[in-house]
Amino acid sequence: EDQVTQSPEALRLQEGESSSLNCSYTVSGLRGLFWYRQDPGKGPEFLFTLYSAGEEKEKERLKATLTKKESFLHITAPKPEDSATYLCAVQVSSKLTFGTGTRLQVTL
Amino acid sequence: NAGVMQNPRHLVRRRGQEARLRCSPMKGHSHVYWYRQLPEEGLKFMVYLQKENIIDESGMPKERFSAEFPKEGPSILRIQQVVRGDSAAYFCASSPVTGEREQYFGPGTRLTVT
Repeated sequence: EDQVTQSPEALRLQEGESSSLNCSYTVSGLRGLFWYRQDPGKGPEFLFTLYSAGEEKEKERLKATLTKKESFLHITAPKPEDSATYLCAVQVSSKLTFGTGTRLQVTL
Repeated sequence: NAGVMQNPRHLVRRRGQEARLRCSPMKGHSHVYWYRQLPEEGLKFMVYLQKENIIDESGMPKERFSAEFPKEGPSILRIQQVVRGDSAAYFCASSPVTGEREQYFGPGTRLTVT
């Protein structure tokens, strides 16, 4: 059975304090690994797709990387508006299997 | 380009009633997915549909739940005889026919069963 584990469950950072979120996975035949951002009361917002080990993608203060067993979402110099829950998901067939997310809070 | 639309955004039903949740995919998208998010739990896959076809319903409860995506109109997730345990946020996602794998989510329908 496909498994996705995200850590930490919650993370509190000061503005400008860089950190990384982890997503470890156990799947057979990974088609893609996805990162989403979810704000309270809203639907997940697509951030990145990674398809193969060694791949990296960047968007503003976010950078996602992928190995054969895990993915990292690096947040550089975060701002309060980066506060959200970050979700990781793996795709084997057509469906996505999600982790439970990391709740990030960035304070001034 | 309008995003994925879902309605209603909030739905309150009494136990035993029926709930109908609607999803209009993004323009040009013909693949629709439904996910459920229970309080304090992650998103769980329910069903994957293309126009007039159910492709994968491995995540759907065996009873009371059904989904359709007709040739014309939105996709509908139907829950019959709702129970309190059905209270959750239901999200719809869509992806294009061209084979891109990204799924774009709607704002969700929050179902409360009283």
